[in-house]
Amino acid sequence: GAVVSQHPSWVICKSGTSVKIECRSLDFQATTMFWYRQFPKQSLMLMATSNEGSKATYEQGVEKDKFLINHASLTLSTLTVTSAHPEDSSFYICSASRASGGPTVNEQFFGPGTRLTVL
Amino acid sequence: KNQVEQSPQSLIILEGKNCTLQCNYTVSPFSNLRWYKQDTGRGPVSLTIMTFSENTKSNGRYTATLDADTKQSSLHITASQLSDSASYICVVNTDKLIFGTGTRLQVFP
Repeated sequence: GAVVSQHPSWVICKSGTSVKIECRSLDFQATTMFWYRQFPKQSLMLMATSNEGSKATYEQGVEKDKFLINHASLTLSTLTVTSAHPEDSSFYICSASRASGGPTVNEQFFGPGTRLTVL
Repeated sequence: KNQVEQSPQSLIILEGKNCTLQCNYTVSPFSNLRWYKQDTGRGPVSLTIMTFSENTKSNGRYTATLDADTKQSSLHITASQLSDSASYICVVNTDKLIFGTGTRLQVFP
């Protein structure tokens, strides 16, 4: 249990276009989902925290108008990188916290990541 | 400032050997400490999670220790396998997850 998937696993797009990344909790309901960005040889950096049905909370320095987050259900959150530029090229990872039940409540389960390359 | 530091940055060992990775943290308040394994191009996978009162926890060939007084943790890998080649990340949970920069482990035959 506690499987998180991301789609797509990798994407290449032209500069100026928008890209949507999906994050799904496959076998549990997630009250909270998190979006991270990881540059090569660096640690994960939290971008934003989203709770189902409410606006996402963005970390300092993350542009909310550029990185649009929607958490429409307890199993799906999306990150849209708008007007992407080469500097947005990175590895984007989502995680989800279980809503209730068992010892893993509030533990974050990570997705496999999405590699974004902006040309 | 909440920080998690890991050492060494990278490590090369031969298959079958043991190794120990270190994690020092300055995080307050402390909720729990986790070790994750991250394969290249993949998301982190949890190995162990320890609360303040736990000193050691094992998961197969992985054994994590925690000294809450000195704010240090270690991850010991026994009888390494080629598939252990990955980055190992120490993460301390306060009101959010504080990630270490990881140790890149390479296991050679």
